[in-house]
Amino acid sequence: SQTIHQWPATLVQPVGSPLSLECTVEGTSNPNLYWYRQAAGRGLQLLFYSVGIGQISSEVPQNLSASRPQDRQFILSSKKLLLSDSGFYLCAWVRAGANVLTFGAGSRLTVL
Amino acid sequence: AQSVTQLDSHVSVSEGTPVLLRCNYSSSYSPSLFWYVQHPNKGLQLLLKYTSAATLVKGINGFEAEFKKSETSFHLTKPSAHMSDAAEYFCVVSNVGDRDDKIIFGKGTRLHILP
Repeated sequence: SQTIHQWPATLVQPVGSPLSLECTVEGTSNPNLYWYRQAAGRGLQLLFYSVGIGQISSEVPQNLSASRPQDRQFILSSKKLLLSDSGFYLCAWVRAGANVLTFGAGSRLTVL
Repeated sequence: AQSVTQLDSHVSVSEGTPVLLRCNYSSSYSPSLFWYVQHPNKGLQLLLKYTSAATLVKGINGFEAEFKKSETSFHLTKPSAHMSDAAEYFCVVSNVGDRDDKIIFGKGTRLHILP
């Protein structure tokens, strides 16, 4: 069966520090992968999505970046965090050509 | 390009009364549409989906939604609200497989159930 892992679950970081959130999917190949951010009153904002290794589409220009070094690994990064980067980050996957998302448990980031 | 608008950020209904959560979408292609629910401190759960078959879609927990192309709407309804329905609901539009792999969420509607 397919599972999705996301870590760390909780992170508290100072302004200006780097960030790395990791997401991996097991039990499938060539999934579409997505990073969303959930902030109060703003729903789920699509940040990045990827349809294959090394293929990243960015939806929101900001100080975040994403990478997909392996088929089932999706990483969200920042070189210097801002206060406004605080939020709940969710990784999700769909089978290629399908459209029902399966979400990870999320990573709650607090930037102080 | 696609987008989704949830017309109400908060909806309050009394237990036992009908629920209506409104959603309008825009899409360059024939979209797939979904409703997800998120209970407090829980993950996101798929309620129902429309993928170009029957326009009236039945989901879990007694919810259903009707796809109306002429109105570009996909409103979520339930005949009788239960206290356990209190949660945040997201309308989602997708064109995966149609040259565009984005999956876009609305801003959410928080449903409050009054005793």
